[in-house]
Amino acid sequence: SQKIEQNSEALNIQEGKTATLTCNYTNYSPAYLQWYRQDPGRGPVFLLLIRENEKEKRKERLKVTFDTTLKQSLFHITASQPADSATYLCALGNTGGFKTIFGAGTRLFVKA
Amino acid sequence: DTAVSQTPKYLVTQMGNDKSIKCEQNLGHDTMYWYKQDSKKFLKIMFSYNNKELIINETVPNRFSPKSPDKAHLNLHINSLELGDSAVYFCASSIRGEVGQPQHFGDGTRLSIL
Repeated sequence: SQKIEQNSEALNIQEGKTATLTCNYTNYSPAYLQWYRQDPGRGPVFLLLIRENEKEKRKERLKVTFDTTLKQSLFHITASQPADSATYLCALGNTGGFKTIFGAGTRLFVKA
Repeated sequence: DTAVSQTPKYLVTQMGNDKSIKCEQNLGHDTMYWYKQDSKKFLKIMFSYNNKELIINETVPNRFSPKSPDKAHLNLHINSLELGDSAVYFCASSIRGEVGQPQHFGDGTRLSIL
């Protein structure tokens, strides 16, 4: 069955460093991959989209890579700030567009 | 302006009761969804509607019945609530069209079954 794995352990980093989060998937050939941010008690908020034919996308301090051979995406936050502390969810979808599968997320703590 | 709003935010009720959760979006989107986020934090899709038509029903028990009176609303009615229904339920919406359209989520309804 389709499976998405994100590091279940929290990631603790120092302010100013680069945070790197990993998303691995199996038994799936997604047309796209998305990253969302979720704060406690709130719904997920969309951050970035990368399509299967793209290797890398950037948006301000965020960068995402997509390796369909390794079946992996890396999500980077450069010059991290305490305000970046949240849970980050990886999500995959197919060309139909109606069904998106989410990972359980990785909790990021950025210490001042 | 709240883009996707759900009511109520908290719902505490007894096993066996029937309850409804309402969702409204003011983004003009064609597609709406219901997700369940359990204690392990996995977001699992339950239903997807496009232009008021049911597109996805992810083997959800038929105690759960979604209703879309118009494109801007997707409500969820749950009959005979069970302990395992305790979770956070999220409504979301997106534009239909280009692959990978981002979903806009409400802030969830926290359902607790006593």
